[in-house]
Amino acid sequence: NAGVTQTPKFRILKIGQSMTLQCTQDMNHNYMYWYRQDPGMGLKLIYYSVGAGITDKGEVPNGYNVSRSTTEDFPLRLELAAPSQTSVYFCASSYSGTDNEQFFGPGTRLTVL
Amino acid sequence: AQRVTQPEKLLSVFKGAPVELKCNYSYSGSPELFWYVQYSRQRLQLLLRHISRESIKGFTADLNKGETSFHLKKPFAQEEDSAMYYCALRELRGQNFVFGPGTRLSVLP
Repeated sequence: NAGVTQTPKFRILKIGQSMTLQCTQDMNHNYMYWYRQDPGMGLKLIYYSVGAGITDKGEVPNGYNVSRSTTEDFPLRLELAAPSQTSVYFCASSYSGTDNEQFFGPGTRLTVL
Repeated sequence: AQRVTQPEKLLSVFKGAPVELKCNYSYSGSPELFWYVQYSRQRLQLLLRHISRESIKGFTADLNKGETSFHLKKPFAQEEDSAMYYCALRELRGQNFVFGPGTRLSVLP
């Protein structure tokens, strides 16, 4: 199993550009999460999903959108990139809400200039 | 709102010395507490959770509801314990995880 994979690893965007961060898991996990981590800070939850077709906002959803059309994929969309979105983005998944071990992807480092 | 604090950004200890990584939280309900670890060039991974009351790699953590703390302890640190450690909280029956800022543990030879 590859676990949780994220693409791209690095990206530089100009202000106002849009992009999609990809996240895929092959563990048949129901729950998936997107976090951002700013320098010197903890991870902050952006969005999460408890299953295909169901998404919900986390602590910092503004400026982002997600979709969950399949169990495996949970892409994160930035529509109008802003410098405040410069961060490292982590995707994670877990089997259920009660078995709470989250498995993390390697992260995507995004810079918005 | 829930909050997790880890007062030390960096903690350096010598090999064989005891180590304690502090974590305090603020939450009005019954939280679940976790410790996650990130070794150099590896992914963030779960170390332990308070529900299971287990010892992993010699680490233990006890939830103290009176002091709202979940400190991570190990009696004898090893060089391979050097890593970033994050304390995290989850609302019971919720999906909102809150992570602390992390503590970098450096175990010196």
